Amino acid sequence: GESVGLHLPTLSVQEGDNSIINCAYSNSASDYFIWYKQESGKGPQFIIDIRSNMDKRQGQRVTVLLNKTVKHLSLQIAATQPGDSAVYFCAENGAKGAAGNKLTFGGGTRVLVKP
Amino acid sequence: GAVVSQHPSWVICKSGTSVKIECRSLDFQATTMFWYRQFPKQSLMLMATSNEGSKATYEQGVEKDKFLINHASLTLSTLTVTSAHPEDSSFYICSRLGQSSYNEQFFGPGTRLTVL
Repeated sequence: GESVGLHLPTLSVQEGDNSIINCAYSNSASDYFIWYKQESGKGPQFIIDIRSNMDKRQGQRVTVLLNKTVKHLSLQIAATQPGDSAVYFCAENGAKGAAGNKLTFGGGTRVLVKP
Repeated sequence: GAVVSQHPSWVICKSGTSVKIECRSLDFQATTMFWYRQFPKQSLMLMATSNEGSKATYEQGVEKDKFLINHASLTLSTLTVTSAHPEDSSFYICSRLGQSSYNEQFFGPGTRLTVL
């Protein structure tokens, strides 16, 4: 079946540097993508989303890039801070669930920020 | 601030007992809510879609008689794990839809279930 996957399971980054988290997706029917941040023992927190008619979207310190040609999604975090340490998941909405389109989550990337 | 709450945040129970987890939408009425399960160091897996006023729809492989979902009001969905066993120990997370048509979801803080 189609799935969302990640290239890097763990990313260590120096405080103040930029982080890039990658995600590959295979469902060409997906038209909406979301990045979530999950801290230990907590639920996922919405970071930023992007629709398939866009290739870039910026938020506060974060940028999401979408390359539909190669089915690749990335999240860039500028000036990474200790509070950015978490697991980051990408999600897409192309798969059909029991009740219509559902979010399918990638495997997650752990970001560790070194002081 | 939080838009979805869950109660309890953690629970420990004996094998064979049932456990109820509540999920509340705090900021507006939610006709649709979702229940996910997350095992350690794994991603979120959708269990079921909770529909206000009607039966929940379950994903393939999820036992509806074991994971009872009740969406009795527009702000509350409950998940009851019946006859829990140690393999049901997991992090259970609910979510509600956002207000656009694109299925963005906002998640609760999760409930850690440990079955002894």
